[in-house]
Amino acid sequence: QVQLVQSGTEVKKPGASVKLSCKASGYTFRSYAVHWVRQAPGQRLEWMGWISAGNGDTKYSQKFQDRVTMTRDTSASTVYMDLSSLRSDDTALYYCARSSSALLLDYWGQGTLVTVSS
Amino acid sequence: DIVMTQSPDSLAVSLGERATINCKSSQSVLYRSNNQNYLAWYQQKLGQPPKLLIYWASTRESGVPDRFSGSGSGTDFTLTISSLQAEDVAVYYCMQFYTTPVFGQGTKLELK
Repeated sequence: QVQLVQSGTEVKKPGASVKLSCKASGYTFRSYAVHWVRQAPGQRLEWMGWISAGNGDTKYSQKFQDRVTMTRDTSASTVYMDLSSLRSDDTALYYCARSSSALLLDYWGQGTLVTVSS
Repeated sequence: DIVMTQSPDSLAVSLGERATINCKSSQSVLYRSNNQNYLAWYQQKLGQPPKLLIYWASTRESGVPDRFSGSGSGTDFTLTISSLQAEDVAVYYCMQFYTTPVFGQGTKLELK
């Protein structure tokens, strides 16, 4: 079955960077894109960007364009999301999710909690 | 950017009764070339990731009970739960994927 397993909880100080991982299994990794979506406390789900697992192409939300980098390791069927210059309002639950050619997010990881606090 | 607005923000419904959640997009999400509405509905239970219920506005994802149905086209959409079960208590989100994904603010569904 399709699974996306994310890395564990992170606690960071303001100004630091965080790198999250999302390991895929149960499907042909290179045939899909992986997106990152975050959910801050009391806020709606917010799309951050996606990476094509096939060719590594990326598209980022303008909001995060200057601070986010998404990469993938096809040999490990894993996607990474690096977010820099962390602020307290980056405290959120970060999800990875899979999509096919349409941008429909069909399977989601369990989420990684990132807390930014001095 | 497309803005998605759901109504109501919260809803209390008795077991066995109908629940209706609305979603409005600031511009049409109907793609004329394939006549598909790029609109999905998700269910998120406490402590869990969102689960896909409906896509193309009205197509149920495999395994989703048939009490869940979606309707609408263009800019106005509805998720209906025909007979509420206790396990349906959750937050429901609409999402447009006509452009890069944008979510509604969520509707919290509770038992009355």
